[in-house]
Amino acid sequence: AQKITQTQPGMFVQEKEAVTLDCTYDTSDPSYGLFWYKQPSSGEMIFLIYQGSYDQQNATEGRYSLNFQKARKSANLVISASQLGDSAMYFCAMREVGGGADGLTFGKGTHLIIQP
Amino acid sequence: GAVVSQHPSRVICKSGTSVKIECRSLDFQATTMFWYRQFPKQSLMLMATSNEGSKATYEQGVEKDKFLINHASLTLSTLTVTSAHPEDSSFYICSARGERGSYNSPLHFGNGTRLTVT
Repeated sequence: AQKITQTQPGMFVQEKEAVTLDCTYDTSDPSYGLFWYKQPSSGEMIFLIYQGSYDQQNATEGRYSLNFQKARKSANLVISASQLGDSAMYFCAMREVGGGADGLTFGKGTHLIIQP
Repeated sequence: GAVVSQHPSRVICKSGTSVKIECRSLDFQATTMFWYRQFPKQSLMLMATSNEGSKATYEQGVEKDKFLINHASLTLSTLTVTSAHPEDSSFYICSARGERGSYNSPLHFGNGTRLTVT
């Protein structure tokens, strides 16, 4: 079973609108962290935001916020007031603490295109 | 802070030759480094995890004799693609983490290496 599921392969959004990128995850580990990364066409991975499994409040970083619904195992990324420069691939990722692995497991990504 | 430098950014090599990719943490000590592979329009797949001074742990399906990983110091890890074939053409990207056991610390990524084998 996939550990990270991103159901939107591609999205077109009008500039200045808010956009929600979906992410659901699967784990039996009570301790885990959820991450969102942005990958522009140049290829680098840019860290956006983090949510811990024990965090009571949704994470926010500037225009980025994470809608964390633990019972539903979802961690959607919300980008407010989208900009042309937000066009990129967006990956949701998870690290499970008890699994013994340090690395991140990534979803398949969502290709976001902001239109003027 | 937390800069990871990866070199080269692009490399073209002939089939049968070997290619070395370097990953350096510039302003922190990376106790653990990770190597990922990404095919066009696909996700990042973890190839191996390396801890300084010990052998790398490879993911299932990754040939350890083909993808040699060395993590000789706290700031440098190398991936050598041996006897490269066209199917090895891909985007390879490294990442590093400095705090062992801190599951809320993000991985810092290099800018990736686009390998083309002709």
